[in-house]
Amino acid sequence: GQNIDQPTEMTATEGAIVQINCTYQTSGFNGLFWYQQHAGEAPTFLSYNVLDGLEEKGRFSSFLSRSKGYSYLLLKELQMKDSASYLCAVMDSNYQLIWGAGTKLIIKP
Amino acid sequence: GAVVSQHPSWVICKSGTSVKIECRSLDFQATTMFWYRQFPKQSLMLMATSNEGSKATYEQGVEKDKFLINHASLTLSTLTVTSAHPEDSSFYICSARDVREVPEQFFGPGTRLTVL
Repeated sequence: GQNIDQPTEMTATEGAIVQINCTYQTSGFNGLFWYQQHAGEAPTFLSYNVLDGLEEKGRFSSFLSRSKGYSYLLLKELQMKDSASYLCAVMDSNYQLIWGAGTKLIIKP
Repeated sequence: GAVVSQHPSWVICKSGTSVKIECRSLDFQATTMFWYRQFPKQSLMLMATSNEGSKATYEQGVEKDKFLINHASLTLSTLTVTSAHPEDSSFYICSARDVREVPEQFFGPGTRLTVL
């Protein structure tokens, strides 16, 4: 079956760095997405990786290793507004998104 | 960036009534739209995939006669929850794929449905 694993919850301190990991097993691979979702709101797009390596976008970076079925989202200089759920999703061979359960990130002052 | 709207943002209805939710792509053509449901503290659950001009493809366990989906144009898809019951209360989110940018899905703001 298809499976996306990510930690349920993480806590970090304002100004620090946090890495949220995601491992996956899917039928085919057409890219991995990271979305941010604040409580009561729809997800917003953060990043898309289809090739191995690190993609940097401001304070957020996303890494992919296809051979290991592994990705991480790195958030630097954490701000209180970064408190949210972070969803990892993989697009399979049918271009369907397979979603992880999300990681709730709690930022403390 | 591409914008997707949903209407209404929230709705409260009585048990047994039907509710229609609209999803529109405002500045791009969406050949494919997706309907998700999300219960509190749970992840997104894909309900169905809607392609313009054809019948929607429903995920296993989703009743197609209860959740009617229509995708009549490249900018509009509707989800109708028929004979709604309290267990249908949830956060319904649509997303749309731009025909020019296959991978990324753009999400609407969601519709919170409460069935009394």
